[in-house]
Amino acid sequence: QVQLVESGGGVVQPGRSLRLSCAAFGFTFSNNGMHWVRQAPGKGLEWVAVISGDGSKKYYADSLKDRFTISRDNYKNTLFLQVESLRPEDTAIYYCARFGTSVNALDIWGQGTMVTASS
Amino acid sequence: SYELTQPPSVSVSPGQTARIICSGDVLPQQFVYWYQHKAGQAPVLVIYKDKERPSGIPERFSGSTSGTIVTLTIDGVQAEDEADYYCQSTDSSGGFHVLFGGGTKLTVL
Repeated sequence: QVQLVESGGGVVQPGRSLRLSCAAFGFTFSNNGMHWVRQAPGKGLEWVAVISGDGSKKYYADSLKDRFTISRDNYKNTLFLQVESLRPEDTAIYYCARFGTSVNALDIWGQGTMVTASS
Repeated sequence: SYELTQPPSVSVSPGQTARIICSGDVLPQQFVYWYQHKAGQAPVLVIYKDKERPSGIPERFSGSTSGTIVTLTIDGVQAEDEADYYCQSTDSSGGFHVLFGGGTKLTVL
């Protein structure tokens, strides 16, 4: 079954760093670009970053590119998001999503992992 | 940069037709995608490339475009359709930057 499972969220002090993971199951992971999308409490979906299937291309939301790093390990079928200098406004549910080439859209999403930046 | 604008809320009675619009200056040049998002669940793609429906999505969901406005239509709304709906497109500088509309809360009365 095609599935994405995020992990790594939790309560983190502002200023600290955090690495989120997204494990992929049921498809050839290296064939697909992968995205991170977040949703702050009471807010809408906000795109964070995308990485190509081979990891050679990475793009970020303009407001986030200085502190966020997307990466992947195709041998372990895992996507990562490193967040530096966490801020209270980074508090959100972080979703990973697959870019489906047949639909040109985010066709598979994980359930999300909650990150709370708080002291 | 550019924006996609959606109404914050739409309300309909069961069995009626719900129309959720999304507007943006670049929409005539870029495809639009629609996602359904229920609280505590993963978002679900319901329309891709303006008007195509993924397998498993009920036929009552449809998409259409007219200039700078795209519309998600749900015919014969059911209680289970109550959710937040987001339109999504990409920027015009290569298509790798994703943008979401602000989301529309569909309430089934």
